[in-house]
Amino acid sequence: AAGVIQSPRHLIKEKRETATLKCYPIPRHDTVYWYQQGPGQDPQFLISFYEKMQSDKGSIPDRFSAQQFSDYHSELNMSSLELGDSALYFCASSLGRVTEAFFGQGTRLTVV
Amino acid sequence: GQQLNQSPQSMFIQEGEDVSMNCTSSSIFNTWLWYKQDPGEGPVLLIALYKAGELTSNGRLTAQFGITRKDSFLNISASIPSDVGIYFCAGRLNYGGATNKLIFGTGTLLAVQP
Repeated sequence: AAGVIQSPRHLIKEKRETATLKCYPIPRHDTVYWYQQGPGQDPQFLISFYEKMQSDKGSIPDRFSAQQFSDYHSELNMSSLELGDSALYFCASSLGRVTEAFFGQGTRLTVV
Repeated sequence: GQQLNQSPQSMFIQEGEDVSMNCTSSSIFNTWLWYKQDPGEGPVLLIALYKAGELTSNGRLTAQFGITRKDSFLNISASIPSDVGIYFCAGRLNYGGATNKLIFGTGTLLAVQP
């Protein structure tokens, strides 16, 4: 069965650069979530979208923005990168806002 | 903000033993999900719970949604080496409505000695 696809899997950026992470949800899923996970930490909720509209907002820095496109894929844009942004970034998708969420393999972002 | 307290933080057991872990919260949740995460990989959904009191099994895994809606537990029976990993609970506050975020517990690291 098709799963959540994230790209790229690994990304190395320098401080103050920008990065764009992409997420392709499971076909027919209309809800996308973004999470950030630091080393040894639990995933922290950043933002979610339902039917291309922002649904919920968590601890997402102002330097980050995200959107969900007409084909339901989502992109997380990160600007003015800081060393502390180095983490695993996960995308999850669900059918509707109340069903189980399935996670992608993640993007490992390293800021140097 | 909402917090999910997961315990124990870590467990080191022998193959064949049963395992139990739980999550508690000060908030009421309408959905509880249990995930397993291997290092550097995405969380994999194990069990989803949607009703207070619900008891659901998935092979050797059994999870329950607490009656108070503020807790959930996960049991693994007859553990095997491939059960090694970090187990997370996740709760969703609202059923429908304006919010749908999943809040994660602090995780339980499980190590299984063959």
